[in-house]
Amino acid sequence: EVQLAESGGGLVQPGQSLRLSCSGSGFTFGLYDMGWVRQAPGKGLEWVGVTRSETYGGTTEYAASVRGRFTISRDASKIIVHLLLNNVKTEDTAIYYCVRESPHSEYVPFFDSWGQGTLVTVSS
Amino acid sequence: DIQMTQSPSSVSASVGDRVTISCRASQNIKSQLAWYQQSPGKAPKLLIYAASSLQSAVSSRFSGSGSGTDFTLTISSLQPEDFATYYCQQTDSFPSTFGQGTKLEMK
Repeated sequence: EVQLAESGGGLVQPGQSLRLSCSGSGFTFGLYDMGWVRQAPGKGLEWVGVTRSETYGGTTEYAASVRGRFTISRDASKIIVHLLLNNVKTEDTAIYYCVRESPHSEYVPFFDSWGQGTLVTVSS
Repeated sequence: DIQMTQSPSSVSASVGDRVTISCRASQNIKSQLAWYQQSPGKAPKLLIYAASSLQSAVSSRFSGSGSGTDFTLTISSLQPEDFATYYCQQTDSFPSTFGQGTKLEMK
């Protein structure tokens, strides 16, 4: 069974940084695109970005709203994915979900596995 | 970026009703569309991919159709557990984008 578990959420002040982590089990991490989707309180889903699988060279793609401030990476063991949030803004307040691509995805992934989410609150 | 627009934003229906939710893309995305269901306090759940393919273990009450710019999610006979919010996602090009959501409420 595929399981994803996020950690690292919490309260952070505007302009500061925070790192989220996602550990997975039940599948071979390196073979799948892994990503992050966020949801501001009472709002809809927003695609944040993905780290591509080994098939696509482990490159990354980001939404325009976070490009240049957020960084997605995999650790050396390739069993954890991180989301580094730099220079956070109040509008970054959201639940951040870790997601895994479906094996049925073509070039741009859709997601068949989701973590429970971790809440990031940006406030002074 | 490709914009995804869902309609209606909310809909009221009763158990047993047939419901249709629409999703329109700002440009041609072929059949590269997924649908998700999100119940309150839960993570989203994948229902449909490639516009019309049913995800494993998802009820056959759910069906998807469309291609190009116009897509539809249909629930054939509403069950109590179907009252939730539904999102479409385009998977044609990066950055991927979601629709704003359609809330299905009990009448």
